[in-house]
Amino acid sequence: GQNIDQPTEMTATEGAIVQINCTYQTSGFNGLFWYQQHAGEAPTFLSYNVLDGLEEKGRFSSFLSRSKGYSYLLLKELQMKDSASYLCAAANDYKLSFGAGTTVTVRA
Amino acid sequence: DAGVTQSPTHLIKTRGQQVTLRCSPKSGHDTVSWYQQALGQGPQFIFQYYEEEERQRGNFPDRFSGHQFPNYSSELNVNALLLGDSALYLCASSFGTSGTDTQYFGPGTRLTVL
Repeated sequence: GQNIDQPTEMTATEGAIVQINCTYQTSGFNGLFWYQQHAGEAPTFLSYNVLDGLEEKGRFSSFLSRSKGYSYLLLKELQMKDSASYLCAAANDYKLSFGAGTTVTVRA
Repeated sequence: DAGVTQSPTHLIKTRGQQVTLRCSPKSGHDTVSWYQQALGQGPQFIFQYYEEEERQRGNFPDRFSGHQFPNYSSELNVNALLLGDSALYLCASSFGTSGTDTQYFGPGTRLTVL
């Protein structure tokens, strides 16, 4: 089976940095996706890691360690619009197995 | 370039009824996946369609069925609705035959079962 764990909630101040950790145990692992989901909206694609290491994309970076079953999403220079749920998803075969999501609240 | 579209936006049904949800993939995409998202949870994989065939299925009962049409659009059917089927149903589209293709989500259909 699949087990994807991430913290339930995180709070940070505008302009700060927040790191959302994700650990996974899946069979047939192909890669790790991060999605952002605002309340009542569809998940939107943020990043994808298939190899170990850091992928940087503007204010967002994502890291993967396949040997440790671990990933993190780093959000820099936080803005109020970054308040959302962040979903970690492991790709195996043709499906995505999602964690429950981390709700990030950005305070002024 | 239209993204993934779903209809209807909201739907209210009663227990025992049947429902059909529809999805049109993003332009150029040939694969459609369906997910169920309960409140406060991450999406759960229902099944994926490619070349009009169900390619993979998650842990959902046979009451959940689907179809993909030659134009790559897809339907999700749920029979004998239960209260627990109340959720946001998300359709995601992708292109290619790799398990690592990025999936892009539609806005979802909010199903309420009374």
